Amino acid sequence: NAGVTQTPKFRVLKTGQSMTLLCAQDMNHEYMYWYRQDPGMGLRLIHYSVGEGTTAKGEVPDGYNVSRLKKQNFLLGLESAAPSQTSVYFCASWASEVNEQFFGPGTRLTVL
Amino acid sequence: GENVEQHPSTLSVQEGDSAVIKCTYSDSASNYFPWYKQELGKRPQLIIDIRSNVGEKKDQRIAVTLNKTAKHFSLHITETQPEDSAVYFCAASRGNEKLTFGTGTRLTIIP
Repeated sequence: NAGVTQTPKFRVLKTGQSMTLLCAQDMNHEYMYWYRQDPGMGLRLIHYSVGEGTTAKGEVPDGYNVSRLKKQNFLLGLESAAPSQTSVYFCASWASEVNEQFFGPGTRLTVL
Repeated sequence: GENVEQHPSTLSVQEGDSAVIKCTYSDSASNYFPWYKQELGKRPQLIIDIRSNVGEKKDQRIAVTLNKTAKHFSLHITETQPEDSAVYFCAASRGNEKLTFGTGTRLTIIP
């Protein structure tokens, strides 16, 4: 049982490049989330999903897209990266039976 | 939407003393209030949570109190130890679907 995993762990992009961050969970959770964490700003919700095939906007969705084609995977895409998207990205999934969000290990993204 | 404010942003306490971190929330319909601990370079992990039908909850050295009328809740850590040094985040949600996080408190335990 790997829990929540994220790929990659680190990435450096140039402005305008695109990339996809992958989140996978093997706990059969319905809800999944993407957050960004910046110094002094806590964790801010980018997008989330309440089930396979569904997505919804969070607090800071601009510049990001997501897809949940399979229940266990939640993808976060940056179509044209900007320096303002330099951040640590955390994925999480929700376990309703224990009322807890489980976080992945994070992806540190730098956009030059 | 929900807005969660957290204070202080940094806190230093002597080992063995108590630490208190406070949060206020804006949405009176919020009913779930978890606290997460994040060690340096690690992922956030749930340490305790409380629901709006309960005023206080304890788990060994940590406790959370909730004042629904004033819309604030607090984390209390007693007999602090060096391993308590971390960043702590409060959060609030209406139901369980989306959490709104505070901006975090960096707690340093001084040996």
